[in-house]
Amino acid sequence: NAGVTQTPKFRVLKTGQSMTLLCAQDMNHEYMYWYRQDPGMGLRLIHYSVGEGTTAKGEVPDGYNVSRLKKQNFLLGLESAAPSQTSVYFCASTQGSYEQYFGPGTRLTVT
Amino acid sequence: QQPVQSPQAVILREGEDAVINCSSSKALYSVHWYRQKHGEAPVFLMILLKGGEQMRHEKISASFNEKKQQSSLYLTASQLSYSGTYFCGTDNAGNNRKLIWGLGTSLAVNP
Repeated sequence: NAGVTQTPKFRVLKTGQSMTLLCAQDMNHEYMYWYRQDPGMGLRLIHYSVGEGTTAKGEVPDGYNVSRLKKQNFLLGLESAAPSQTSVYFCASTQGSYEQYFGPGTRLTVT
Repeated sequence: QQPVQSPQAVILREGEDAVINCSSSKALYSVHWYRQKHGEAPVFLMILLKGGEQMRHEKISASFNEKKQQSSLYLTASQLSYSGTYFCGTDNAGNNRKLIWGLGTSLAVNP
């Protein structure tokens, strides 16, 4: 099992560009999450999904959109990147039985 | 509301003990503890459930005081491998779907 994978691992964007981050899990988990982690800020929930076809807003959803068309995939989109979105992005999944499994992270820099 | 972790940082010598606290202003249904090493993803340590027993992971144990709305993580006879940032995530809704994360406690264990 690969667990939770994230694509890409690193990306540099210019202000105003768009991109999509892909998260994939092979554990048949129902719940998936997108977090951002900034120095000194801990983990902040952007959006999450409790099942295929569902999405919900987290603490910091502005500037991001998500989709969960397939159970194993959770996509995070940035329509018009801003320097404030420079961060490390983590995807996680869980079956709801408590432990969240995290992907390796995507380091995004917006210049 | 974000849980408060204390202390913010701890420096230990190998073999020493430490306690990390996680307090919430809201009622807690469960507290989740994770450890993150530099440049890596957070990794699950344990979960404390309302009405549950004290948990243990190797020489790390944790308690959950429902009345005080807080949890404590006890690191006994610390090892070099314990170094990292410890995060607590709290469930205030009782469904384990969304966690609110503390800002983390940085732990450095020196030889």
